[in-house]
Amino acid sequence: SQQGEEDPQALSIQEGENATMNCSYKTSINNLQWYRQNSGRGLVHLILIRSNEREKHSGRLRVTLDTSKKSSSLLITASRAADTASYFCATVSPNTGGFKTIFGAGTRLFVKA
Amino acid sequence: KAGVTQTPRYLIKTRGQQVTLSCSPISGHRSVSWYQQTPGQGLQFLFEYFSETQRNKGNFPGRFSGRQFSNSRSEMNVSTLELGDSALYLCASSPPGLAGSSEQFFGPGTRLTVL
Repeated sequence: SQQGEEDPQALSIQEGENATMNCSYKTSINNLQWYRQNSGRGLVHLILIRSNEREKHSGRLRVTLDTSKKSSSLLITASRAADTASYFCATVSPNTGGFKTIFGAGTRLFVKA
Repeated sequence: KAGVTQTPRYLIKTRGQQVTLSCSPISGHRSVSWYQQTPGQGLQFLFEYFSETQRNKGNFPGRFSGRQFSNSRSEMNVSTLELGDSALYLCASSPPGLAGSSEQFFGPGTRLTVL
């Protein structure tokens, strides 16, 4: 079963608008990461937020983490057509032998030029 | 630094055959993880290797196996292929550091089609 549940499943916006994606998870985590995937290709790491952090920024990206609600959000500001991709959250949790990473189902973002 | 490379990029096999996929991590990375991605199940963790030892394993049948070599290169093998094994297989490596605290660097994937 997947740890991270993301919503919306798909999002279509105009260039210049902001896009917000949400991720919820079930168990305690070490950190939460967001990745982007362009159609049928490998994933690209965007940002990592640790369980003791509440917010992180990287360029046009802003990630928040609420461990009490077991949820995170990814905000992309001033979106561009090149941001069109699938976005995945991944939770990293302690596991026998180390840590396990579980990916959510992803949000498909389409930015219209 | 060169990124994570995976070979082959595309593969077509028939049911019952076996297949071996290869992954070369970024130089200096000792942790290699494998994932299966399908439209129906999404991204699912297969296993992780660190210093030639399997450190974590997902919920896949024994037909799926892997190994890691002393140079950190990794291979995964799927025996007795089934139609449902058709997927994009992704390999990711992580830099040295506190376990579980690092980002993963993904390769472009191997697209396996089972006929």
